Order: sequence, then C-alpha cells, then structure tokens
Amino acid sequence: KQEVTQIPAALSVPEGENLVLNCSFTDSAIYNLQWFRQDPGKGLTSLLLIQSSQREQTSGRLNASLDKSSGRSTLYIAASQPGDSATYLCAVRDFNKFYFGSGTKLNVKP
Amino acid sequence: DAGVIQSPRHEVTEMGQEVTLRCKPISGHDYLFWYRQTMMRGLELLIYFNNNVPIDDSGMPEDRFSAKMPNASFSTLKIQPSEPRDSAVYFCASTFGLAVGDTQYFGPGTRLTVL
Repeated sequence: KQEVTQIPAALSVPEGENLVLNCSFTDSAIYNLQWFRQDPGKGLTSLLLIQSSQREQTSGRLNASLDKSSGRSTLYIAASQPGDSATYLCAVRDFNKFYFGSGTKLNVKP
Repeated sequence: DAGVIQSPRHEVTEMGQEVTLRCKPISGHDYLFWYRQTMMRGLELLIYFNNNVPIDDSGMPEDRFSAKMPNASFSTLKIQPSEPRDSAVYFCASTFGLAVGDTQYFGPGTRLTVL
C-alpha cells in the first residue's frame, strides 16, 4: 500500500521568506501527484498537479517538483505572505486510488 | 458552477442515531468520492462512484456505513448506528474523469460529532 509522508508537520516563517515543503511516497508507480491547500473549516483546493511524465509545475509563486525514482516531491513557495497560511497536503494517485499525506501546517507571520 | 455542495455543514448527534450526509457533485462530473478526515488517520478514501455506480468501497470502515448515488446530481453517505469514533469531517469530491491530468474538486465538508 502506498504511504505518503509530509515533513515538517508544522512550519512558522516570517513574511517574505522562501520556503520548501516536502512530500515522500513509497511506491514510484504513480499516475500523478497533487498539492492541495486546506483552510480551516473548508475543503481542499488544488494548487498544482504534476503528471507522472512531468518533472515540475509552476503557478505564480508556487513551484512543485516531482522525482518519481526517489519518491519525492517538493512544493516551493516564493516570497511567502500571511495569506499563504494554511495546511498543505500532497496526494499521490495510483490510477483509481488516492493517498494523502497528513499535511504541513504553515503559518506566515506578518 | 457552484462547486461541490455538501449538507449539512455541521451535524451533532447522539450515539446510536442514524446520520445521513448529502453531496451534490459538479454538473458533468462522472466520478464522485467520499472521504473522511481525522487527526489520527488523516484523509481517507471511503468509496467512489462512476456514473452513479459504486466502483470501490474498500475504504468503508464497517457495515454501519453505506453510500448511494441514485442519480448524477446526488449522493448520500449514511451511518447507522453512529458511534463516537465516527466523529470526523466528511468530504465529498468530484472529477470529470480519471485521466492523468484530471483533478478532484472538494466540497466544504460536513463536520460530524457523535456524542
């Protein structure tokens, strides 16, 4: 069974700092990997989706990379802002199965 | 589109009572998923449907849980009888398909508390 791990579990940084969130998975046979954002009391919002044949995806200040062979993905957030404060989850898809990490809770201090 | 709609947003019930959670997927999406999120276990897939047909219910924890999708615009997740350990946030999500580039869209969730 696929296992997804996210490190760190929580992160607090000052505004303006660049930061990296990590996601690792045990089985490299994946269809895609997604990064989601979850705000308190709300559902998940998809940020970036990297297909298995891709190495990275970018959207604005966000950049996600995928290294299937090592079972790792990183989410890079540039010039962090207080509005980025949320929990970030990565999800690995194995055809019709979706496996989520436990998330990294990010706090960006003004 | 209004996105995935779930009701109720909050539900408090007593142990032994029947609980029904509701979901309306995004129009045109052929797949619907039910998830449960707890602090201990994170986000777990319970069951998913394709064109109203249950495809994989291996994540349903016990026979007390059941899910139906009578039509393309409505699904229910029922717990009978409910127990305190069922307390969690239940999410519904939908997607157009299962191609490698297809993403899931999540509803706001139903926070269930069983006393």
